[in-house]
Amino acid sequence: NAGVMQNPRHLVRRRGQEARLRCSPMKGHSHVYWYRQLPEEGLKFMVYLQKENIIDESGMPKERFSAEFPKEGPSILRIQQVVRGDSAAYFCASSPPAERNTIYFGEGSWLTVV
Amino acid sequence: SQKIEQNSEALNIQEGKTATLTCNYTNYSPAYLQWYRQDPGRGPVFLLLIRENEKEKRKERLKVTFDTTLKQSLFHITASQPADSATYLCALAGSSNTGKLIFGQGTTLQVKP
Repeated sequence: NAGVMQNPRHLVRRRGQEARLRCSPMKGHSHVYWYRQLPEEGLKFMVYLQKENIIDESGMPKERFSAEFPKEGPSILRIQQVVRGDSAAYFCASSPPAERNTIYFGEGSWLTVV
Repeated sequence: SQKIEQNSEALNIQEGKTATLTCNYTNYSPAYLQWYRQDPGRGPVFLLLIRENEKEKRKERLKVTFDTTLKQSLFHITASQPADSATYLCALAGSSNTGKLIFGQGTTLQVKP
């Protein structure tokens, strides 16, 4: 059973470009979460999605950031017009429908903005 | 505001000893608390979950306690090994039965042979 798959693992973008991070949850998991880990800071919740629905986006920055989890395909975290402060590790996690307390993380996508 | 505190200083212990890590929280009444392990450049790995009505939980060499009066959890690794060296994260969740967690900054454990 493959774990949570994230790609790309490393991404370099120039200021003003767009970054797209993809996440495929574990098989059978229909709940996806995105977390961000800034340098020297802890993991911070960003958004919680189910298929085709955003359940909780209370941790998402108000501008430039968006997330989706379409009926088919991976979940996408999109950052428009990136700035240096967006440089961080972005982790996706998933949980099964019956046990949403326990989440399983992917290996992360490391975004560097130059 | 809600706050979780883990010892920011690294914990260095000798192989074979018991490592004890602390997680304190304020302004929060979590339904459950979790501990994760994170290695450099990797994603967090789930270790243990303990609910508000549980005092203690064990899994192999790991033991977690949860004191909702003191607002504290202790995480113990007995018979520690160099392979246990990592950063350990404490995370809290409310009662909404989701994976929306509040994480501490983690404590780095170094086990010396």
